[in-house]
Amino acid sequence: AQSVAQPEDQVNVAEGNPLTVKCTYSVSGNPYLFWYVQYPNRGLQFLLKYITGDNLVKGSYGFEAEFNKSQTSFHLKKPSALVSDSALYFCAVRGWMDSSYKLIFGSGTRLLVRP
Amino acid sequence: NAGVTQTPKFQVLKTGQSMTLQCAQDMNHEYMSWYRQDPGMGLRLIHYSVGAGITDQGEVPNGYNVSRSTTEDFPLRLLSAAPSQTSVYFCASSYSITGVEASYEQYFGPGTRLTVT
Repeated sequence: AQSVAQPEDQVNVAEGNPLTVKCTYSVSGNPYLFWYVQYPNRGLQFLLKYITGDNLVKGSYGFEAEFNKSQTSFHLKKPSALVSDSALYFCAVRGWMDSSYKLIFGSGTRLLVRP
Repeated sequence: NAGVTQTPKFQVLKTGQSMTLQCAQDMNHEYMSWYRQDPGMGLRLIHYSVGAGITDQGEVPNGYNVSRSTTEDFPLRLLSAAPSQTSVYFCASSYSITGVEASYEQYFGPGTRLTVT
């Protein structure tokens, strides 16, 4: 069965410091991996995706993520955090053989950036 | 484009009542889906559709019905509301799900916050 784990409920970081939000996955075959962000009282917004190609994926708002097949991880990173990055972040996965096209989401990680 | 729209934004129901959550998209997307979001559980797929006239069940379909008579609309019906259906409901759509140029990115609506008492 497909699954996604986000081991940290909350990540705290000071503004200007690098941030990492962790994600590991389990899927049959090659994975399609996504990161979404949710601001308060809003729907989810797409940040970036890994389908194939370079393991380092760049996305919106200066975020990037690194696909590591051996560790089945897809951690979200940003070199310098902003207070405005504070939000709820979701990792999601879909198996490329999955004919139902379902996205499986992690439980979410709340990012809090201190001024 | 308005993107994905959902109505209503908020709704309170009594146990046993029925209602329909509306979802519409104006991007000519093939794929549409409904999720519910509960604290600490992420988003869970309720139902999805890969095109007009085609629907299928997700992870948590019980107590919900859907239909897809047009490409644009994908309403979610609660047949007999229960307190366990108190949640935030999100509709999402995706342009294409097949082919080399398929985009698997999903666009989400703003959500409907439902409380069942």
